[in-house]
Amino acid sequence: EPEVTQTPSHQVTQMGQEVILRCVPISNHLYFYWYRQILGQKVEFLVSFYNNEISEKSEIFDDQFSVERPDGSNFTLKIRSTKLEDSAMYFCASVRTGYGYGYTFGSGTRLTVV
Amino acid sequence: KQEVTQIPAALSVPEGENLVLNCSFTDSAIYNLQWFRQDPGKGLTSLLLIQSSQREQTSGRLNASLDKSSGRSTLYIAASQPGDSATYLCAAPNAGGTSYGKLTFGQGTILTVHP
Repeated sequence: EPEVTQTPSHQVTQMGQEVILRCVPISNHLYFYWYRQILGQKVEFLVSFYNNEISEKSEIFDDQFSVERPDGSNFTLKIRSTKLEDSAMYFCASVRTGYGYGYTFGSGTRLTVV
Repeated sequence: KQEVTQIPAALSVPEGENLVLNCSFTDSAIYNLQWFRQDPGKGLTSLLLIQSSQREQTSGRLNASLDKSSGRSTLYIAASQPGDSATYLCAAPNAGGTSYGKLTFGQGTILTVHP
């Protein structure tokens, strides 16, 4: 079964540092997403990406965040200057267009900001 | 704005019991609804996807139903096993959106099945 792959699985960073979280969506999927889950809280939508541009973003996704599809396979989330409150599990997801297809999520990157 | 609520928040049952997890959503013009399983510290595994035109979807011991008119979905687990212990999440897309829109998640039901 095709998978969404995320790296690294765990990243620890100093407050104020930039981090890049990486994802390889499923190859025939066209829509890509980032979600996050702060410990003990709901999974929250951050951003969706289609046709090489952001299609929707949440209020959380401010100027500190950016996404990029630098080549034909990778999809990245960059946080420019991390804050303590950015500590969370970040999930990448992708979806194939057409009837009957749901989201496929990656296993997540646990980001710890110290 | 879509809001998703799940009850109960936690459920502890002995092995072998049949159980029902509930999900409600505020805006019923959805394209589909998806149930996920999350093990502690892990990712989200898709269990079932129900299209708006369907009333039920089954996979093994799992059966999910969808009632758009009442804004409710249920996940039925038959003959529960200790390996079913996990958090179960319900997710609904933006009302009126396509299957590619953002998902709004419930807070989940933490299920513990004890031997």
